[in-house]
Amino acid sequence: GESVGLHLPTLSVQEGDNSIINCAYSNSASDYFIWYKQESGKGPQFIIDIRSNMDKRQGQRVTVLLNKTVKHLSLQIAATQPGDSAVYFCAERGSNYKLTFGKGTLLTVNP
Amino acid sequence: DAGITQSPRHKVTETGTPVTLRCHQTENHRYMYWYRQDPGHGLRLIHYSYGVKDTDKGEVSDGYSVSRSKTEDFLLTLESATSSQTSVYFCAISEQEQETQYFGPGTRLLVL
Repeated sequence: GESVGLHLPTLSVQEGDNSIINCAYSNSASDYFIWYKQESGKGPQFIIDIRSNMDKRQGQRVTVLLNKTVKHLSLQIAATQPGDSAVYFCAERGSNYKLTFGKGTLLTVNP
Repeated sequence: DAGITQSPRHKVTETGTPVTLRCHQTENHRYMYWYRQDPGHGLRLIHYSYGVKDTDKGEVSDGYSVSRSKTEDFLLTLESATSSQTSVYFCAISEQEQETQYFGPGTRLLVL
């Protein structure tokens, strides 16, 4: 999984499977988190966000889970499709009220 | 791309020349940001704006300046481009400060 600070990891899944992309954050005071999707040659696209007073939030085919105890964030994509192939990265808003972006995880969906 | 355009989309320039990148939004969002994206790094904030003529520095502001004379436009200027400024530059906008940011398509800049 990803950390705001590690080299770009990769995840390869079969079409139709569920994908789980992880993100570890370091600042226990971070209060807001965002997941982005970035396709090759394009700008980052907002997927879903979550505040620190929540543990889980669901969107269309995506779920974000926040575990503040271990400072871990995950993005679950249900029934992964080839169009989901992209780099996914998380962002956290720390105590300085600035967003810090992770380097991302490359998701490859095999047909 | 949430009503955000960037121009030019690609540029090749020589070391020492000035370069200006433009970000234009049609969302009327108050906050605008310039980031650079490089391999091995997450998006890094260069400068941001919290209103017309109100700007502040980000973590990698050296060698860059910005201007915002209208709500919809945010310009990034490299006064004298260096090879280390070869990067992909993204503009972003948000309604609230440091809340969800929506990104433009990016500008690929190559400084030779």
